[in-house]
Amino acid sequence: GAGVSQSPSNKVTEKGKDVELRCDPISGHTALYWYRQRLGQGLEFLIYFQGNSAPDKSGLPSDRFSAERTGESVSTLTIQRTQQEDSAVYLCASSFQPGTSNEQFFGPGTRLTVL
Amino acid sequence: DQQVKQNSPSLSVQEGRISILNCDYTNSMFDYFLWYKKYPAEGPTFLISISSIKDKNEDGRFTVFLNKSAKHLSLHIVPSQPGDSAVYFCAASARETSGSRLTFGEGTQLTVNP
Repeated sequence: GAGVSQSPSNKVTEKGKDVELRCDPISGHTALYWYRQRLGQGLEFLIYFQGNSAPDKSGLPSDRFSAERTGESVSTLTIQRTQQEDSAVYLCASSFQPGTSNEQFFGPGTRLTVL
Repeated sequence: DQQVKQNSPSLSVQEGRISILNCDYTNSMFDYFLWYKKYPAEGPTFLISISSIKDKNEDGRFTVFLNKSAKHLSLHIVPSQPGDSAVYFCAASARETSGSRLTFGEGTQLTVNP
């Protein structure tokens, strides 16, 4: 009865290094979302995947950010040449299908600290 | 441009009393509103939602009220319990938005004192 899982739970990196964050959605969920939460702020949408459709990347803050998803399973969020302002909790969510009434289930997040 | 705002970063209430958390939004395209609850080191968990065609939705101790003309919603918790202490996020989505992604407020830290 697994929920959404994310790894690593914590990541400390040096400015300029690349990081890769992983999300395992709930099995059978076709929609997958990445959000981030910076200190003292609400969750900010980054990217959305739905099945085999082209992802909605409109929330990605810069071209240093990219994400992939293999079919309807695992997703990875990659941040290249990390900057201190990238420090945040990165949250992944999945839902059975997109739609306003379909609940998004969140993972525990990855806390990224860029020194 | 903060489309969803929670103006109170924190709220403290006594056990057994009512907790009222408020949220304002600016985007008139939003047609679905949700409240999420978040404990430290955990992801947000869904609490209750309301469609824009309604003005009230109740689930046990939790009631959400929507005032569309004021672009305001509130979450009432009664009676409040110490286990309700958490950060509460208001979120909104629009049917027309790709994937119905959620736009979140900044959160309100609720503390229920025994």
